[in-house]
Amino acid sequence: EIVLTQTPATLSLSPGERATLSCRASQGVSHYLAWYQQKPGQAPRLLIYNAANRATGIPARFSASGSGTDFTLTISSLEPEDFAVYYCQQGSHWPTFGQGTKVEIK
Amino acid sequence: EVQLAESGGDLIQPGGSLRLSCAASGFTVSSDFMSWVRQAPGKGLEWVSIIYPNGATYYPESLKGRFTISRDNSRNTLYLQMNNLRAEDTAVYFCARSDKPNLGDYWGQGTLVTVSS
Repeated sequence: EIVLTQTPATLSLSPGERATLSCRASQGVSHYLAWYQQKPGQAPRLLIYNAANRATGIPARFSASGSGTDFTLTISSLEPEDFAVYYCQQGSHWPTFGQGTKVEIK
Repeated sequence: EVQLAESGGDLIQPGGSLRLSCAASGFTVSSDFMSWVRQAPGKGLEWVSIIYPNGATYYPESLKGRFTISRDNSRNTLYLQMNNLRAEDTAVYFCARSDKPNLGDYWGQGTLVTVSS
């Protein structure tokens, strides 16, 4: 099983600030890496697929990069609705998720 | 508009069985990759099963033999049959679809399964 490790566990930021989230895979997953946003009581929402492609309707302030084992999700300027938990997920082998990064209001 | 609606979650005793349903609209379940993903209370996400457009099904080793994913094309509905349920199966179960394998671009709101005596 491929283990995804997300850092940091919690990110405390203010609206308007830049958020940088990391995801490291225990072995290479090529570009088969997705990012999801989840708010309390809601289903996950796909933000990014294939490491760097924004899903339909996702604002341009969300961007991502990486390949192999190291990946990054960047939110250029946090909006109030962006405070949530973010999960990375690999699809190279049996799909697995990272443990999540909580982006909270400072 | 793509919509997914899960149902069938319940309180069930250990060792029992339960079948979850996911009614789809706005697309055809037989044409896409359909998945079940679960989330234990306060925990992260775990992929449970996948069915491909060609009907092939996949599970993690930890669930093989207890869980079965299927679909009814005439009802445009996805199912998850869960047998010999354990306390650790307690979770919200989401269905998800994608036009690519091992991805979820649309999700239902989930249905809660509680396994407890």
